[in-house]
Amino acid sequence: EDQVTQSPEALRLQEGESSSLNCSYTVSGLRGLFWYRQDPGKGPEFLFTLYSAGEEKEKERLKATLTKKESFLHITAPKPEDSATYLCAVLPFSGNTPLVFGKGTRLSVIA
Amino acid sequence: KAGVTQTPRYLIKTRGQQVTLSCSPISGHRSVSWYQQTPGQGLQFLFEYFSETQRNKGNFPGRFSGRQFSNSRSEMNVSTLELGDSALYLCASSTGLAGGLDTQYFGPGTRLTVL
Repeated sequence: EDQVTQSPEALRLQEGESSSLNCSYTVSGLRGLFWYRQDPGKGPEFLFTLYSAGEEKEKERLKATLTKKESFLHITAPKPEDSATYLCAVLPFSGNTPLVFGKGTRLSVIA
Repeated sequence: KAGVTQTPRYLIKTRGQQVTLSCSPISGHRSVSWYQQTPGQGLQFLFEYFSETQRNKGNFPGRFSGRQFSNSRSEMNVSTLELGDSALYLCASSTGLAGGLDTQYFGPGTRLTVL
């Protein structure tokens, strides 16, 4: 069964304190891995798509990396406005399987 | 470009009733996917419609159904509501042409509360 596990469930950082969020996955084959950000009361907002191990993508203070078993979302010098829930999702190769989401990491950045 | 819109934003229903939620995708997008989000289970896939045809279906009971119209707008219906159906229902639109790899753009969701 395709599974996505995100850790930690919640993370509290001081402004400027860099850290990483983890997304580990078990799939028969990976077609793509997606990162989304979700603010309270809103739908998820797309951040990145990664396709193969070794790939990296950056956007402002965020950098996503991918290995064969996990992905990391690195947050450098976070600001309070980076507070949100970060969701990871994988698209398996098997058949017509839709996106499988993790339960997310709830990030709080304190000024 | 206008984003994905969902109506209504909030709904309160009682057990046994039925409910219909609506989703208008981004102009030009032909795929609409529906998800249920709860604190315990996270985001779970309900179904996907592409050009008025259901292309994929998640593991939900038959009380959950949907349809898509010729203008790509989609509705989902839940019959005989149960307390456990309380959730945020999200729809996402995409071009639907990249085998699942195209970016999904989510609406703000409909918050359904079943009493």
